[in-house]
Amino acid sequence: DVKVTQSSRYLVKRTGEKVFLECVQDMDHENMFWYRQDPGLGLRLIYFSYDVKMKEKGDIPEGYSVSREKKERFSLILESASTNQTSMYLCASTADWTEAFFGQGTRLTVV
Amino acid sequence: RKEVEQDPGPFNVPEGATVAFNCTYSNSASQSFFWYRQDCRKEPKLLMSVYSSGNEDGRFTAQLNRASQYISLLIRDSKLSDSATYLCVVNFYSKLVFGAGTILRVKS
Repeated sequence: DVKVTQSSRYLVKRTGEKVFLECVQDMDHENMFWYRQDPGLGLRLIYFSYDVKMKEKGDIPEGYSVSREKKERFSLILESASTNQTSMYLCASTADWTEAFFGQGTRLTVV
Repeated sequence: RKEVEQDPGPFNVPEGATVAFNCTYSNSASQSFFWYRQDCRKEPKLLMSVYSSGNEDGRFTAQLNRASQYISLLIRDSKLSDSATYLCVVNFYSKLVFGAGTILRVKS
């Protein structure tokens, strides 16, 4: 059974903290993605990666960075968390042009 | 202009109704297309891929019109369990772009 696992379901962090969101997939997929989902705005792409150590900016990369040191792991980093980064964060992986599989999501609250 | 646009709805329909959603995309070089379903507080899951020739899966029919750059999803004989948000997804050189979703509510 295919699996994408995000490290936390719920997180509460303080403004200014550095936050790490981890995502691991067991399908040997090349492509991995980080989205945030907000009411009325749908899923917005933050960053994606199509290979180890490769990363591409999505539509809203400001305030975020990513790391992909191993094929199965894609990390999202909030360098200095702010309240406007309170959101649901979803990780996904896919082989080229095929079905994307999502993790269960991390609901991050920045206070 | 957004890369992928959908009518947000909500579409409120009675059980047994037929309902159709459309989605437009801006990049003519987009390569593959999908409909995903997302239930409340859950992650999105693939409903069906969309092919130029059109494809059907039970009560669901998806169509792609490359010339006009739109994708459609038709649901026949709606069930209460079809209530969800339906997301149109476009794949452009491994970049997956989602529409904001269309909310469907099926009522008895």
